[in-house]
Amino acid sequence: RKEVEQDPGPFNVPEGATVAFNCTYSNSASQSFFWYRQDCRKEPKLLMSVYSSGNEDGRFTAQLNRASQYISLLIRDSKLSDSATYLCAVILYNQGGKLIFGQGTELSVKP
Amino acid sequence: GAVVSQHPSRVICKSGTSVKIECRSLDFQATTMFWYRQFPKQSLMLMATSNEGSKATYEQGVEKDKFLINHASLTLSTLTVTSAHPEDSSFYICSARDPGRADTQYFGPGTRLTVL
Repeated sequence: RKEVEQDPGPFNVPEGATVAFNCTYSNSASQSFFWYRQDCRKEPKLLMSVYSSGNEDGRFTAQLNRASQYISLLIRDSKLSDSATYLCAVILYNQGGKLIFGQGTELSVKP
Repeated sequence: GAVVSQHPSRVICKSGTSVKIECRSLDFQATTMFWYRQFPKQSLMLMATSNEGSKATYEQGVEKDKFLINHASLTLSTLTVTSAHPEDSSFYICSARDPGRADTQYFGPGTRLTVL
């Protein structure tokens, strides 16, 4: 079983739509969680960390459910510029603190 | 600005040659760096953890004799793909952990390797 699993998509949505991504992790020792954005042929960029209490940054909301071991990312009022691949990632502290990524979910926002 | 650099950004080589990729942390000293590989339409797969002054730790299935990692200083890690073959063609990305900022990793811009 993969450490981190995501629905690969693609998600094709119109501008202004709300879209949600989910990600599950298998290692209960995971303590830090992140969402990254990756544009085509570029390195991943940190979008936001995910905190236990949930956190929001503008149109983006991240949530963590430790009991069910999943994290989510909600994008409201999606823009054309949101088109990218979104990757969740977890740090495995019981394995040297390495950062492990999910498969990534491709989002395409259409006019 | 960028805090982790990679060089070269793109390389095309013939099958059988070796290719060295450099990863540098520019603003901090990184005792730990990571090397990832990403094939088209796939996620970043961790290849190895590079530790300054000691041997790298390789992920399962990654050949340590083929992917040589050297982390000789606190700001530089190198990945050498030895005797590269077309199946090694991929996007190689390094990251460096900033010890002063817990859990923060900075990614380099990546190196696109094409083996003919």
